[in-house]
Amino acid sequence: EVQLVESGGGLVQPGGSLRLSCAASGFTFSSYEMHWVRQAPGKGLEWLSYISSSGSSTYYSDSVKGRFTISRDNAKNSLYLQMNSLRVEDTAVYYCARMTYYSSGKCFNYWGQGTLVTVSS
Amino acid sequence: DIQMTQSPSSLSASVGDRVTITCRASQSISSYLNWYQQKPGKAPKLLIYAASSLQSGVSSRLSGSGSGTDFTLTISSLEPEDFATYYCQQTYSTPPTFGQGTKVEIK
Repeated sequence: EVQLVESGGGLVQPGGSLRLSCAASGFTFSSYEMHWVRQAPGKGLEWLSYISSSGSSTYYSDSVKGRFTISRDNAKNSLYLQMNSLRVEDTAVYYCARMTYYSSGKCFNYWGQGTLVTVSS
Repeated sequence: DIQMTQSPSSLSASVGDRVTITCRASQSISSYLNWYQQKPGKAPKLLIYAASSLQSGVSSRLSGSGSGTDFTLTISSLEPEDFATYYCQQTYSTPPTFGQGTKVEIK
């Protein structure tokens, strides 16, 4: 059974840092590109970042570029999001998601349960 | 970035009603369009990928159609478990953007 389990969320002051983790199991983690998506309270889904299966390629949304860093450790079946210079508007539930490719398209068919990050003084 | 616009933003419907949600892309995305359902406090759940392919285990009451810029999600007969928020997403290009969501509420 595929499982993605996020951890590392919590309360942090503006300007602070936090590192989120996503532990993967039930599939060959090193074969899949992985993504981070967040959802602010009462708001919609916002895509944040992606990392290729090998980790050699990354991409960020403009809202987090230069502040957040995505990484992975395929030996540990883990995905990470290092978040620096946090702002109040970064308060959200953060999800990791697996991208699956089909012959006709690609989608996030597995998501973690989410971890809440609250940025407040 | 490709912008995704859903309509309506919310709707009220009764059990048994037929419901249609539309999603429009700011440029052609071929059939790289997915639909997700999200219930309060839960992660999104994939319903339909590649515009019209039903994810395994998803009820056949749900269907998707469209290509290019205009897409629809249809629920043929609403059941109590369908009351939720629905999001479209394009995966034609990076970043894979989402629509703003459509909340389906009980009338």
